[in-house]
Amino acid sequence: GENVEQHPSTLSVQEGDSAVIKCTYSDSASNYFPWYKQELGKGPQLIIDIRSNVGEKKDQRIAVTLNKTAKHFSLHITETQPEDSAVYFCAAKAYTGNQFYFGTGTSLTVIP
Amino acid sequence: GEEVAQTPKHLVRGEGQKAKLYCAPIKGHSYVFWYQQVLKNEFKFLISFQNENVFDETGMPKERFSAKCLPNSPCSLEIQATKLEDSAVYFCASGRWVGDTGELFFGEGSRLTVL
Repeated sequence: GENVEQHPSTLSVQEGDSAVIKCTYSDSASNYFPWYKQELGKGPQLIIDIRSNVGEKKDQRIAVTLNKTAKHFSLHITETQPEDSAVYFCAAKAYTGNQFYFGTGTSLTVIP
Repeated sequence: GEEVAQTPKHLVRGEGQKAKLYCAPIKGHSYVFWYQQVLKNEFKFLISFQNENVFDETGMPKERFSAKCLPNSPCSLEIQATKLEDSAVYFCASGRWVGDTGELFFGEGSRLTVL
């Protein structure tokens, strides 16, 4: 089955700096890669996703890049703000199934 | 509704008691997933449904866990004879697939504490 690895497990950045979180996956059949933000005591919220027919997608300060050859994808947050502090999870899903495979999460702290 | 609604938010049970959690998926979503999250880390997949049919139950500890999604009723996850290690946040998520594309939306979770 699919194996998704996520790094780093914790990340601290100064407000205004950029944050990058990386994930790798093992199953070449995976073709959908969402990112979730989970704030304390809340459920994960879908913030951005990318499908394997594109290499990069942007939404304001958030961007995701995908390298299918290397089987890795990354979340980029620019101009970080304290409200970006949360745990971020990556996930992968294959076309042929409906199973989502999650990374182990990155706890991001933005220091004011 | 426009969000996945989970109840109760918190549930406390003594070891050996039964626990039942509920989930109302987003209207129009045909897929429902249950995940267990321990210590705010990884999501352990339990079971998924396509409408009222079990789609994948490979993550379910079958001897004590059961789940249903019946028409016109919230989906449910039931744990018989709870154990201390069942303490976790249980998340329900719903999704709708069109071809190979789909998005998964999570509820706020139900925190189960087994004493």
